[in-house]
Amino acid sequence: AQTVTQSQPEMSVQEAETVTLSCTYDTSESDYYLFWYKQPPSRQMILVIRQEAYKQQNATENRFSVNFQKAAKSFSLKISDSQLGDAAMYFCAYRSARYAGNNRKLIWGLGTSLAVNP
Amino acid sequence: SAVISQKPSRDICQRGTSLTIQCQVDSQVTMMFWYRQQPGQSLTLIATANQGSEATYESGFVIDKFPISRPNLTFSTLTVSNMSPEDSSIYLCSACDRDCFVQYFGPGTRLTVT
Repeated sequence: AQTVTQSQPEMSVQEAETVTLSCTYDTSESDYYLFWYKQPPSRQMILVIRQEAYKQQNATENRFSVNFQKAAKSFSLKISDSQLGDAAMYFCAYRSARYAGNNRKLIWGLGTSLAVNP
Repeated sequence: SAVISQKPSRDICQRGTSLTIQCQVDSQVTMMFWYRQQPGQSLTLIATANQGSEATYESGFVIDKFPISRPNLTFSTLTVSNMSPEDSSIYLCSACDRDCFVQYFGPGTRLTVT
């Protein structure tokens, strides 16, 4: 079974600085998707960035980028120029690329709570 | 993208009663999911709501306790039955299309059972 591990329960960063959140996963599959979701205090879960395992290029969305290391099964999120609005819980998630059965469900990490200090 | 709304946004219920949470999507979607989340913790999948067939429940969740309806491609309900204080949690609805490249989430329903 697949698992997702976020080893940093809490992180903090100064406004305008850069922070990296770590995520490792375990799977025997070769084709899958990885996600970072953000959940601010409002509870609304928002997709930050997505990576397809077959793509070697790291995904980037504005100030958010990932470092995807497939062999190491590592998927870290880098937030550049941190803003107060980035303060939230960040969840790493995995999804199989296979369509059989219940494989569309997401496997979630426990989350990292990010504080942004002014 | 899909916009998802949930009703109610929060409720306080008495032990032994039932609450039905509604999830409405602004476009037709193939997959809908129901999650439970304790404050400050990760998400636990309750079930996948299948249109036109019974929901698929995860280990530890049963239909008698969490009956789910999915009458069409834009709407689903989750009922929390015979509630106890242990059911106090945030319940989230999510949805995606057939390929499910992205799951979109509703704002959640905060349930408190007294």
